[in-house]
Amino acid sequence: QVQLQESGPGLVKPSQTLSLTCTVSGGSFNSVEYYWSWIRQLPGKGLEWIGYIQGSGSTFNNPSLRSRILMSIDTSKSQFSLNLTSVTAADTALYYCARNYCGGGSCFPLLNEYWGRGTLVTVSS
Amino acid sequence: ETVMTQSPATLSVSPGESPTLSCRASRSVSSLLAWYQQKPGQAPRLLMYGASTRATGIPARFSGSGSGTEFTLTISSLQSEDFAVYYCQQYNNWPPTFGGGTKVEIK
Repeated sequence: QVQLQESGPGLVKPSQTLSLTCTVSGGSFNSVEYYWSWIRQLPGKGLEWIGYIQGSGSTFNNPSLRSRILMSIDTSKSQFSLNLTSVTAADTALYYCARNYCGGGSCFPLLNEYWGRGTLVTVSS
Repeated sequence: ETVMTQSPATLSVSPGESPTLSCRASRSVSSLLAWYQQKPGQAPRLLMYGASTRATGIPARFSGSGSGTEFTLTISSLQSEDFAVYYCQQYNNWPPTFGGGTKVEIK
């Protein structure tokens, strides 16, 4: 069974960089069919797609956050990471890492089947 | 970006009833529409994709329909474990976007 676990500081000061890592266990990490995503849930609100990274290192980011996002992947450690720069209180959210859904003979980059439990990041001085 | 609007925000339902949840897109998403279920303290769970295809392991009481800009999710004979928040997500236009959710609560 695929399991994902987010880790990183729960409190970040405004203007600093939010850094999170997702560690994946179970299943294959290196398949070209897998897309590793970051999604956040703003307090009392819905979900927002941040972006995804593939094992090759290719990334696609949400245009609204693109200039502030840096994602990386370490296949040797089965980990991928998110850096979000110049954070403000508006970046306070529950951050999830996730892996895409494969079913019915296809894999779908933008649908997510396996999720971490989420990690709450608060931006405050 | 494509704005997804769900209605109603809250649905009060008795077990055994069959509620229908709605999702509207600000522009066409073809049939690339998914539904997720989220229970308190848990991550979302993929229920449906392609507007009407159930994800692996999802019970047949969940059904979806629609295309373009109007979509629905129907839960036939609601079970106790179905009380949750339901989100729609479009993945036709970049970036993928989610609706604000419909909370299905016990009446």
